Amino acid sequence: SQQGEEDPQALSIQEGENATMNCSYKTSINNLQWYRQNSGRGLVHLILIRSNEREKHSGRLRVTLDTSKKSSSLLITASRAADTASYFCATDQGRETSGSRLTFGEGTQLTVNP
Amino acid sequence: DGGITQSPKYLFRKEGQNVTLSCEQNLNHDAMYWYRQDPGQGLRLIYYSQIVNDFQKGDIAEGYSVSREKKESFPLTVTSAQKNPTAFYLCASSMGFTAGDRGNQPQHFGDGTRLSIL
Repeated sequence: SQQGEEDPQALSIQEGENATMNCSYKTSINNLQWYRQNSGRGLVHLILIRSNEREKHSGRLRVTLDTSKKSSSLLITASRAADTASYFCATDQGRETSGSRLTFGEGTQLTVNP
Repeated sequence: DGGITQSPKYLFRKEGQNVTLSCEQNLNHDAMYWYRQDPGQGLRLIYYSQIVNDFQKGDIAEGYSVSREKKESFPLTVTSAQKNPTAFYLCASSMGFTAGDRGNQPQHFGDGTRLSIL
């Protein structure tokens, strides 16, 4: 079963605009991760946010986590055409004895128009 | 450069045939994973291995088998019992138990193998 649900399924914006994607999940987590996938390629890790963190930044990316609402958001600022890709959230319910095990959402397809 | 190599990039399977997808990593990672991705969907976990000579079933293991005889290799066999094998298969690895920060690790992905039925 899919732990994460992403919203919207598809997003189309103009270059320079900001893009916000949301992720909701159902059970308690160790951390939440965001990945990008270009068409026909593997996934690339963007950001990992731990369950005791509320916000994290990496370049033009900003991720928030609200464990009380079981939700996260990914903000891409000043978007570029090269940001066009699918974006996935993944929740990790791993423990020290069992290691990491990710459950992925179905993704948001972002299109940035030049 | 360190990374994960999946081969072949494209693979075709005949009815009743088993096929094996290769996944090799030179990142010195303990943990390795196999995922299946269907068009327009997210990834579903097939099998994973936290350490050599050990592996566990994921959410959709039926019709698949794996082995983990070497740290750097985690091949996936799609058996004839898998009736709908057409999909994009992705292999990943993470540091696993050797990392000081267990359970808070990103996964590194290969570029996938696209499997189709003839």
